[in-house]
Amino acid sequence: DVKVTQSSRYLVKRTGEKVFLECVQDMDHENMFWYRQDPGLGLRLIYFSYDVKMKEKGDIPEGYSVSREKKERFSLILESASTNQTSMYLCASGSGLGGELFFGEGSRLTVL
Amino acid sequence: QKEVEQDPGPLSVPEGAIVSLNCTYSNSAFQYFMWYRQYSRKGPELLMYTYSSGNKEDGRFTAQVDKSSKYISLFIRDSQPSDSATYLCATTIQGAQKLVFGQGTRLTINP
Repeated sequence: DVKVTQSSRYLVKRTGEKVFLECVQDMDHENMFWYRQDPGLGLRLIYFSYDVKMKEKGDIPEGYSVSREKKERFSLILESASTNQTSMYLCASGSGLGGELFFGEGSRLTVL
Repeated sequence: QKEVEQDPGPLSVPEGAIVSLNCTYSNSAFQYFMWYRQYSRKGPELLMYTYSSGNKEDGRFTAQVDKSSKYISLFIRDSQPSDSATYLCATTIQGAQKLVFGQGTRLTINP
């Protein structure tokens, strides 16, 4: 089975803290994505990567950065967490053209 | 205007009913159309995948794309309580894997 693993299911952080969300996939996929999911807004793309050490901004990159040092791992970084970053964060991976993405179970982040 | 519009519901129907879920989109360049299903506290999983216009059937599920009206539909026949989930439509252009999602429709099937 394809597996996308997000290291933390639930996190509570304080405003201003640095937050790392880790994602690992075991299918040798080239493409990896970070989305956030909010009620009424659906999934919005934060950053994506088509290759190691490569990243591209999605639709809402402000306040986030990413790192992809190895093909299987894609990290999302909140340099200074703010309350409006309280959300569900979903990592996904895919192998190429078209739309089949495999998602992790999500990391629910609360920033106080 | 969002690129993909989807009524967020919630939608509640009795077991056995036919369910119709719909999305509209604005970009005529979109070529690939998908439906993802997301159970509570889980990540989305791909349910149906179609390329360009037409219908695709898989068991109780039928996906329909009408590119002339920029309309995407998912039909569920003989709905079951286990179909209760959020359904997200998604689309992308040729040669890309960057998906654009609808807001998701929360569906409940009542026994």
